[in-house]
Amino acid sequence: SAVISQKPSRDICQRGTSLTIQCQVDSQVTMMFWYRQQPGQSLTLIATANQGSEATYESGFVIDKFPISRPNLTFSTLTVSNMSPEDSSIYLCSVQESSYNEQFFGPGTRLTVL
Amino acid sequence: GESVGLHLPTLSVQEGDNSIINCAYSNSASDYFIWYKQESGKGPQFIIDIRSNMDKRQGQRVTVLLNKTVKHLSLQIAATQPGDSAVYFCAEKGRYSGGSNYKLTFGKGTLLTVNP
Repeated sequence: SAVISQKPSRDICQRGTSLTIQCQVDSQVTMMFWYRQQPGQSLTLIATANQGSEATYESGFVIDKFPISRPNLTFSTLTVSNMSPEDSSIYLCSVQESSYNEQFFGPGTRLTVL
Repeated sequence: GESVGLHLPTLSVQEGDNSIINCAYSNSASDYFIWYKQESGKGPQFIIDIRSNMDKRQGQRVTVLLNKTVKHLSLQIAATQPGDSAVYFCAEKGRYSGGSNYKLTFGKGTLLTVNP
C-alpha cells in the first residue's frame, strides 16, 4: 500500500491567516484527494487534486478558500485561506492508483483556529 | 441527496465476542463498498471492500455482507480484541447524478469499544 505523509501533523493558527498542508506519497499515484473531518464527524470530500490542471471541487468548497496544487504524481498541497474557527478540523490527504483500487489515507493534519 | 448512514453510533462488546456494525446506503448506483477503521489521532485504515456483484467477502477475522435489495452493508468482526477499538466507517463509491467522477462517500461512523 502507498505510504502517505502530511505536514504539519497539527497546527494552531490565528483567524484571518492561511495554512498550507503538504501531502507526499512514496509512489506515483493517479488520483489524489483532500478530505475534511470536523470534530466527531465523518469525512467530507473537499476536492480532487488533478495533476497539471485545476482541482475539481465538491459542492460547498471553492478554490478561493481551499486552493490546491498538484505539481506531480507524488505531491499535493491544500491551503486553508483566511481561516476562521469554523475551519478547525482534521484535513486528510488520500490517494488511489485508479478508480477501482483501494483508496488510502494519510495521517491527517489537525488544525485549530483561534 | 444521496447519503450513507449507520444504524448504531456506538457499540460496546466484550473481548472475544463477535461484533456486527451496520450501514445503510441510498445510492442505487453504488457499485463498490469499503469499510475503514480509524483509531484516535490517525487517518482511516482500509479494512475490506466488496463490489456490488458479490454479497459476501471474508478477510482475516472480518466479513462484509452486502444486501443490495435493502441497500444494507455490515461488517462482522470475529473474536473482537481490545485493538479493534476504533471508529468504523462504511463508504461507498458510485457515480452521482451530475458528477463525472466516481467519488467515495462516507457514512457517519460507529465507535466500537471492546471491554477486556
